Amino acid sequence: DQQVKQNSPSLSVQEGRISILNCDYTNSMFDYFLWYKKYPAEGPTFLISISSIKDKNEDGRFTVFLNKSAKHLSLHIVPSQPGDSAVYFCAASEYQGGSEKLVFGKGTKLTVNP
Amino acid sequence: NAGVTQTPKFRILKIGQSMTLQCAQDMNHNYMYWYRQDPGMGLKLIYYSVGAGITDKGEVPNGYNVSRSTTEDFPLRLELAAPSQTSVYFCASSYGLSGSTDTQYFGPGTRLTVL
Repeated sequence: DQQVKQNSPSLSVQEGRISILNCDYTNSMFDYFLWYKKYPAEGPTFLISISSIKDKNEDGRFTVFLNKSAKHLSLHIVPSQPGDSAVYFCAASEYQGGSEKLVFGKGTKLTVNP
Repeated sequence: NAGVTQTPKFRILKIGQSMTLQCAQDMNHNYMYWYRQDPGMGLKLIYYSVGAGITDKGEVPNGYNVSRSTTEDFPLRLELAAPSQTSVYFCASSYGLSGSTDTQYFGPGTRLTVL
């Protein structure tokens, strides 16, 4: 019973084009969403986040869009660069009982071809 | 700042052996977490701690124990290792902002194989 779903295990794009990574969730109580990036043999690193009260957050080449009615968020990378090749995890958070716990999707492996 | 450090990087255990995965952070974070990542899967929370002396179970705590005697350290203990515990283990920490979500910082991981 996955609460956070990344239905595309992999994505391949050309350098300079847009990468769009998608994430769906089922728990309407999630109030914060994050994207983490992971290179092989390293721990995940935080990339960008969005609160449930917003529908867009932008940071340089990275933009996250949130559609609450559809329980869907997406990460756009423009323009894509070879160094963006990594596994991207979508995570959702519900703050309850004085602490927050993250629920992660399975990840999408992005390959940016030169 | 070293951030979040984990030792060892790799370990092979025999069934029934025990070991402790070490995790330390030097960012004075209140919250610390242990996750496991199985192949092709997302990270699942094993245990977490909101401060020294306080720990609580996550989604998959069975077969593990934790302690938090200091702010800096959060060791994960495996008793009676089983093949199902073969995984990559990540430790993470965060400030623990009251009433909101803040960024978790992850260590490089420990790859554990149980044979």
